[in-house]
Amino acid sequence: AQSVTQPDIHITVSEGASLELRCNYSYGATPYLFWYVQSPGQGLQLLLKYFSGDTLVQGIKGFEAEFKRSQSSFNLRKPSVHWSDAAEYFCASTGGAGTALIFGKGTTLSVSS
Amino acid sequence: KAGVTQTPRYLIKTRGQQVTLSCSPISGHRSVSWYQQTPGQGLQFLFEYFSETQRNKGNFPGRFSGRQFSNSRSEMNVSTLELGDSALYLCASSVTGSGDGYTFGSGTRLTVV
Repeated sequence: AQSVTQPDIHITVSEGASLELRCNYSYGATPYLFWYVQSPGQGLQLLLKYFSGDTLVQGIKGFEAEFKRSQSSFNLRKPSVHWSDAAEYFCASTGGAGTALIFGKGTTLSVSS
Repeated sequence: KAGVTQTPRYLIKTRGQQVTLSCSPISGHRSVSWYQQTPGQGLQFLFEYFSETQRNKGNFPGRFSGRQFSNSRSEMNVSTLELGDSALYLCASSVTGSGDGYTFGSGTRLTVV
């Protein structure tokens, strides 16, 4: 069965430091992969997505993610975190048409000054 | 262009009642998915509609149902409400639902008392 795992429930990073949020997926073929961000009380905003091709994907707000088939991973990175990045981050995957978009449990990011 | 619109934003219902939530997708988007978000369970997939047909269904009891109209607007209904149905219900729309990326609404916060 398709699944997404985000091993870290909560991460605290100092402002200006680099960030990496982990995501592992389980799917028979190469899935479509996404990262979303959610601020308190809000809906989800798409940060970036991977379908195929270049395994390093650039997104909005300075985020990037790298698809590694051998590790079934799609980790999200940012070189320098800003206080406004504090939010909850969700990794998601789908197998395509007719397949549900499945989410990980999310990682809450706190930014310390 | 207008985003995904969910109405109402907030609802308070009594246990045993039923409720209907509405979602207007982005113009041109034919796929609408519904999710239930709770602190304990995270984002759980309810169902997906595409061109008025339910294409996928999550693991929820039959009290949860939905439909999609010819203009792609969707409604979900929950009958015989239970306290555990209190959650943020999110709607997401996509052009085809085949991994092209989903845009989320701000959600409907349902509280069952």
